[in-house]
Amino acid sequence: GESVGLHLPTLSVQEGDNSIINCAYSNSASDYFIWYKQESGKGPQFIIDIRSNMDKRQGQRVTVLLNKTVKHLSLQIAATQPGDSAVYFCAENRGLTGGGNKLTFGTGTQLKVEL
Amino acid sequence: KAGVTQTPRYLIKTRGQQVTLSCSPISGHRSVSWYQQTPGQGLQFLFEYFSETQRNKGNFPGRFSGRQFSNSRSEMNVSTLELGDSALYLCASSLDRDYEQYFGPGTRLTVT
Repeated sequence: GESVGLHLPTLSVQEGDNSIINCAYSNSASDYFIWYKQESGKGPQFIIDIRSNMDKRQGQRVTVLLNKTVKHLSLQIAATQPGDSAVYFCAENRGLTGGGNKLTFGTGTQLKVEL
Repeated sequence: KAGVTQTPRYLIKTRGQQVTLSCSPISGHRSVSWYQQTPGQGLQFLFEYFSETQRNKGNFPGRFSGRQFSNSRSEMNVSTLELGDSALYLCASSLDRDYEQYFGPGTRLTVT
């Protein structure tokens, strides 16, 4: 069946390095993707989104890349900081055609920042 | 602008009971979605309400229901609780489809 997944359950990086978190999806009709960060005991926090008519989108210290050919999504975090330690989820919106929200989440990657 | 609020934050119920959870969206947001998060199944979509109408529904049994009021506040209800219903229940609000969805802190439900 259709799915959204993440490549690695855990990613460890050194403080100051760049982090890359990957995600694959299977539904070629997906047109809206979102990255969320979830810290322990909190709800997911919106990081950045991208629509299928774009290949790249940048935010503050974050960049999302979308490769529709291979159905792959990545989140790049520049100069990773201890406060970036969290679980990161990619999600796609599979609401009814023409309307609605129905996020399907990947399994999450635990990012650990080592000092 | 105030974020999404959920009440209560923690809840302990007994098998067979029912529970009602509440969500207040960000002011101006008309779409409210509910998700269940468990260690085993991850984040799963329950349903979405928009202008008091259920617009999308996930694959959960009929014991899970919801509603939305005219002020966009939403409630979800779970009847005949089972041990497997223990989870973090998250509410998210957005202006409409393909706008950022913002999540609340969740309600931690424990069924004993």
